[in-house]
Amino acid sequence: EAQVTQNPRYLITVTGKKLTVTCSQNMNHEYMSWYRQDPGLGLRQIYYSMNVEVTDKGDVPEGYKVSRKEKRNFPLILESPSPNQTSLYFCASRGTGIGNYGYTFGSGTRLTVV
Amino acid sequence: GNSVTQMEGPVTLSEEAFLTINCTYTATGYPSLFWYVQYPGEGLQLLLKATKADDKGSNKGFEATYRKETTSFHLEKGSVQVSDSAVYFCALRGRAGYALNFGKGTSLLVTP
Repeated sequence: EAQVTQNPRYLITVTGKKLTVTCSQNMNHEYMSWYRQDPGLGLRQIYYSMNVEVTDKGDVPEGYKVSRKEKRNFPLILESPSPNQTSLYFCASRGTGIGNYGYTFGSGTRLTVV
Repeated sequence: GNSVTQMEGPVTLSEEAFLTINCTYTATGYPSLFWYVQYPGEGLQLLLKATKADDKGSNKGFEATYRKETTSFHLEKGSVQVSDSAVYFCALRGRAGYALNFGKGTSLLVTP
């Protein structure tokens, strides 16, 4: 089954403790992206990647890092989480060929930073 | 830059009522337009899309028409069901890039 898999689904952590949220897709998609969803703000893009070793900032990149060492994986790294990063996070991927309009989203990771 | 504005919710309707969720956009060029749906506790699913002016996207009884003259992509359904209760997001993708710009979402609750 074609899918984007995020882990963990839920995470509670303390301020300053480094964490990584993993994202993996099995569709050989070139493009991958991270979003955060906050009440009243909708979804905002954090980082995106056009292909292996190619990443760039989205609208709200502060406090986050990403890497794209393999095509299928796009982890989101919070080096020193803070309470304002408490949010619902989604990873998404998309092919770049003609007709590839659809984005596939993961099921989300609900992060709480205390 | 690109942006999407959609009506604020929550929207509460009785089963079999007519649904309209307004969405307008600002973009340069000719973006592709999407409606995504998020059911409770789940990720986003593509509901329908339109890639050029006057295109009508449709799926599961929902429809939306790409209106370039009014820069709108309103979502409609003739008869909603309880199972349609969800959050609906309007989004656009500019021709030059791959990022999706989302509206803030509209929560829909359908009561029996």
